[in-house]
Amino acid sequence: AQKVTQAQTEISVVEKEDVTLDCVYETRDTTYYLFWYKQPPSGELVFLIRRNSFDEQNEISGRYSWNFQKSTSSFNFTITASQVVDSAVYFCALSDHLLTSGSRLTFGEGTQLTVNP
Amino acid sequence: DGGITQSPKYLFRKEGQNVTLSCEQNLNHDAMYWYRQDPGQGLRLIYYSQIVNDFQKGDIAEGYSVSREKKESFPLTVTSAQKNPTAFYLCASSTPSGLAGSTGELFFGEGSRLTVL
Repeated sequence: AQKVTQAQTEISVVEKEDVTLDCVYETRDTTYYLFWYKQPPSGELVFLIRRNSFDEQNEISGRYSWNFQKSTSSFNFTITASQVVDSAVYFCALSDHLLTSGSRLTFGEGTQLTVNP
Repeated sequence: DGGITQSPKYLFRKEGQNVTLSCEQNLNHDAMYWYRQDPGQGLRLIYYSQIVNDFQKGDIAEGYSVSREKKESFPLTVTSAQKNPTAFYLCASSTPSGLAGSTGELFFGEGSRLTVL
């Protein structure tokens, strides 16, 4: 069975601080896919990134960066110089059926990030 | 604009009543999904459909029903058999990841919040 754990339920930082959201996953599959989604107060989830299990290269996109470490089954997300607009719930998710028409995702419990001015 | 439309945004139901949540997408996606979100529990999959006239149970299908008569539409009925229906419901769709430029991500609607009185 697949499982995603986000141990940090809530994080509160002051604007311009860096913050890292942790994600640990469990799967028996050798090929799998990891995602991060952002859920702002409006409710809809917004896709941030997908990482394939066979590609451990870290990625940076503006103030966002992701650290994928297969050895520790972790896929952590760092926001540099946080801003108030980053306040949201962030979900890490895992899938092993990406190459079919449907992608069944297993979600973590989410981390509520609050960035204070 | 292309996207997923869920309605109603808020819904109140008396115990013993069935209610139907609407989900429409104009993204021409084959696959559609219904997730339930409860505080502190992340998202859990209720039903998913990979193609018209076909759907499968997710992890928490009991007390719910769906139909997929049209590619654009995937309504969810919360029946009186659902013991604890108060929750936030999210509809999503996806395109096969094998298509050029696709990341296999899920596109989400803004959700429907159901409260049982």
